Amino acid sequence: QKEVEQNSGPLSVPEGAIASLNCTYSDRGSQSFFWYRQYSGKSPELIMFIYSNGDKEDGRFTAQLNKASQYVSLLIRDSQPSDSATYLCAVNMQGNTPLVFGKGTRLSVIA
Amino acid sequence: SQTIHQWPATLVQPVGSPLSLECTVEGTSNPNLYWYRQAAGRGLQLLFYSVGIGQISSEVPQNLSASRPQDRQFILSSKKLLLSDSGFYLCAWTRGGYTEAFFGQGTRLTVV
Repeated sequence: QKEVEQNSGPLSVPEGAIASLNCTYSDRGSQSFFWYRQYSGKSPELIMFIYSNGDKEDGRFTAQLNKASQYVSLLIRDSQPSDSATYLCAVNMQGNTPLVFGKGTRLSVIA
Repeated sequence: SQTIHQWPATLVQPVGSPLSLECTVEGTSNPNLYWYRQAAGRGLQLLFYSVGIGQISSEVPQNLSASRPQDRQFILSSKKLLLSDSGFYLCAWTRGGYTEAFFGQGTRLTVV
């Protein structure tokens, strides 16, 4: 069974702090990894993707991938109340097949 | 640029009534298309996906069906809705391969 696991949260961080969101996946052959942000009542929007081991930075967001440990993370620096949302980790385990989504981690940034 | 349209945004239907949700993608050809459902406070459940016209894969057996009559059109249907069909329905597309998915705005369905 192909699975993506996330801590459901809620994860509460103070404004200005670093939020760290984690995700593990079951298929060692997975090739591409995505982070989506979903505000309450809205559809998911893509915020980061990563294909290679290491870190990838985009503004306040950093995605980290460790294929040996089958682990993906998302760091949000200088967290803002507007970052409060559910963050979904998604993994493409085999080409041209549907992404496998985790259940999401709810992040709450406290002003 | 590519855009995905999904309608209606909200829908309230009585139990036993039919359902038709439509999704279209613009600005690309031969996309992979997906229907997901998200129950309140839950994760995304893949319902159907299609890699081409007339090609539908079903992930979860239930009283829903999907069709792809045209390259960039994906329709979710039901002949008789159940209370348990309530949820947030999302259409998505990908280019195929190992690429990301892009979602429509979603349809909030309430079966009463």
